[in-house]
Amino acid sequence: AQSVTQLGSHVSVSEGALVLLRCNYSSSVPPYLFWYVQYPNQGLQLLLKYTSAATLVKGINGFEAEFKKSETSFHLTKPSAHMSDAAEYFCAVSDRNQAGTALIFGKGTTLSVSS
Amino acid sequence: DSGVTQTPKHLITATGQRVTLRCSPRSGDLSVYWYQQSLDQGLQFLIQYYNGEERAKGNILERFSAQQFPDLHSELNLSSLELGDSALYFCASSVGELTYEQYFGPGTRLTVT
Repeated sequence: AQSVTQLGSHVSVSEGALVLLRCNYSSSVPPYLFWYVQYPNQGLQLLLKYTSAATLVKGINGFEAEFKKSETSFHLTKPSAHMSDAAEYFCAVSDRNQAGTALIFGKGTTLSVSS
Repeated sequence: DSGVTQTPKHLITATGQRVTLRCSPRSGDLSVYWYQQSLDQGLQFLIQYYNGEERAKGNILERFSAQQFPDLHSELNLSSLELGDSALYFCASSVGELTYEQYFGPGTRLTVT
């Protein structure tokens, strides 16, 4: 069964610093992977997705993620953090063992950005 | 704005009661998904419907049921509510049955007292 582990429930960075949010997956089939962001009192917004095309995926708001099969990782990065990036970030894998397409989420990482 | 709408935004009810949460998918989307977000369980997939038919099932309790109507809106029914059912319930939609990109609504916050 597919699963996702997000290392670090809370990450704090200074404005302008590199953002690195870690995600490792477990999947018996080639995975489809996603990063979602959740701002306070809002729903989830898709940041980017990996669906077996290019291993370096660019998303919205300057975020990108690299799929590394050898490391079973899909870490999210942004070169320079902005105050508006403070939110909770979820890594997810698509459960392709089912007839449908459920998303299996990690427990989330809260990103804090200080000035 | 994802284009997915959910009503109501907030719901407060007592234990033992029954509630119905409603979701309208994005225009053109045929699949609807329901997820539950709680502090202890995180984000968990409950159920998927595609064009009116159940497609996939996750950790959905027997006290919970869902359906998708001909106009493609969906309802999640929660009955015999317990304190532990207090959570944020999200609806998501996607174009197809096996489309992996899902768009989430703003959620319904359910508080059971």
